[in-house]
Amino acid sequence: EPEVTQTPSHQVTQMGQEVILRCVPISNHLYFYWYRQILGQKVEFLVSFYNNEISEKSEIFDDQFSVERPDGSNFTLKIRSTKLEDSAMYFCASRQARLGYTFGSGTRLTVV
Amino acid sequence: GESVGLHLPTLSVQEGDNSIINCAYSNSASDYFIWYKQESGKGPQFIIDIRSNMDKRQGQRVTVLLNKTVKHLSLQIAATQPGDSAVYFCAEKIGGGNTPLVFGKGTRLSVIA
Repeated sequence: EPEVTQTPSHQVTQMGQEVILRCVPISNHLYFYWYRQILGQKVEFLVSFYNNEISEKSEIFDDQFSVERPDGSNFTLKIRSTKLEDSAMYFCASRQARLGYTFGSGTRLTVV
Repeated sequence: GESVGLHLPTLSVQEGDNSIINCAYSNSASDYFIWYKQESGKGPQFIIDIRSNMDKRQGQRVTVLLNKTVKHLSLQIAATQPGDSAVYFCAEKIGGGNTPLVFGKGTRLSVIA
C-alpha cells in the first residue's frame, strides 16, 4: 500500500536554529498538507499546498514557516528560527482529488 | 471556539464488547467527515469516512453514524480487540477543493483483555 514517508523521524535542534522537515507524498497525489500535534493535544492544520502554491494556511503558519516542493517528489516544511513552543509532532499528508487523506508517521521535533 | 469536539476523552471497554466513540461538530456547513485512529508514535490512520448526504456507512467492524440534525458523529467498533486500543479523532471538512481537515481533540480507547 502506498505510503507518505517522512524524514527524519526525530529531530533535536537548538532554539533559534533552522530545521527542514521532509516528506515524500504518494506519487499520484495532488494535494499536500502539513499538520502538527503538540504532545497530548489534537492535530492542528498548518498549511495546504496545491499546484505549486499555498492554498490555505492557519494562524500558526507565520513568517517563520515556509513550504516548498523542490522537485517532483519531495515536500518540505522549513522553520527558520525555532522556538521552544515549536516542539511537536509534524505530520505530512497527501491526497488525490476525491479520496481521503493519507498521513505520514510524523517527525518529532524537539527544540532545546 | 472549536468547530469539532469530543464528548469523552477516555473510554475503557472489555475485549469483545462494542465501542462507541462520539463527536460533536458545530459547523453545519461541514459536508465530509473522517474518523482516524492514532497509535502511539504514529500518524493518524484513516478508518472510515462519510459525506453529509449519508447518515450511515459501514466498514469492516466499524460503522459511522451521522446525525445532521444535532450535528453529531459516532464511530462504532464491533467486537473490540486489544489492537483497537488507540486515540480516535474525528475530523471535518467544509466544501471541496483544498479546505483543510479540522480535527477534534481525540478519545483514548483502552481495551481490557
